[in-house]
Amino acid sequence: DIQMTQSPSSVSASVGDRVTITCRASQGISSWLAWYQQKPGKAPKLLIYAASSLQSGVPSRFSGSGSGTDFTLTISSLQPEDFATYYCQQANSFPHTFGQGTKLEIK
Amino acid sequence: QVQLVQSGAELKKPGASVKVSCKASGYTFTSYVISWVRQAPGQGLEWMGWISPYNGNTNYTQKLQGRVTMTTDTSTSTAYMELRSLTSDDTAVYYCARDRAGLSDPWGQGTLVTVSS
Repeated sequence: DIQMTQSPSSVSASVGDRVTITCRASQGISSWLAWYQQKPGKAPKLLIYAASSLQSGVPSRFSGSGSGTDFTLTISSLQPEDFATYYCQQANSFPHTFGQGTKLEIK
Repeated sequence: QVQLVQSGAELKKPGASVKVSCKASGYTFTSYVISWVRQAPGQGLEWMGWISPYNGNTNYTQKLQGRVTMTTDTSTSTAYMELRSLTSDDTAVYYCARDRAGLSDPWGQGTLVTVSS
């Protein structure tokens, strides 16, 4: 199985800050990576697919980059509604494993 | 609009089985696979597997092989996930999601399955 490792596991930031979350795959996955946002008690929401494609309706302050084994999710200017947990997921091979999650908290 | 609506919460005893449904609407059911993901309390997301409503092909995580069965009913655009021989470790919220080419969107609202004696 491909292992996905996110860092950091948690981060504290303020409204307006720029935040970057990284995701590393244990082997190359080309661009088969998606990012999801999850708020407490809610289902995950797709933000980014194919490593860098913004899902329709998602604000442009979210962006993704990377290919192969190293990927990043960047939020350019944090808004109050962005405080949540973020997960990466690889879809290069089965099982489609998730990272352990990064909790973004208000400083 | 595209929507997935799941069945309600379940309370099961250890050793029992549970079957969760996921009714799709707003798109051609056979054009996308359905993935199942679960989340234990306070934990991260765990991919369980997926099924193609088009041809019934499935792919399950090795961890659940032999205990999980995913099916679909194309006449009602409904997907099902059955998990057998439940233990307390299976207590989780179970999600279905429409999936194609590595993106899962949208997701169902989730179904809480509690396993307790």
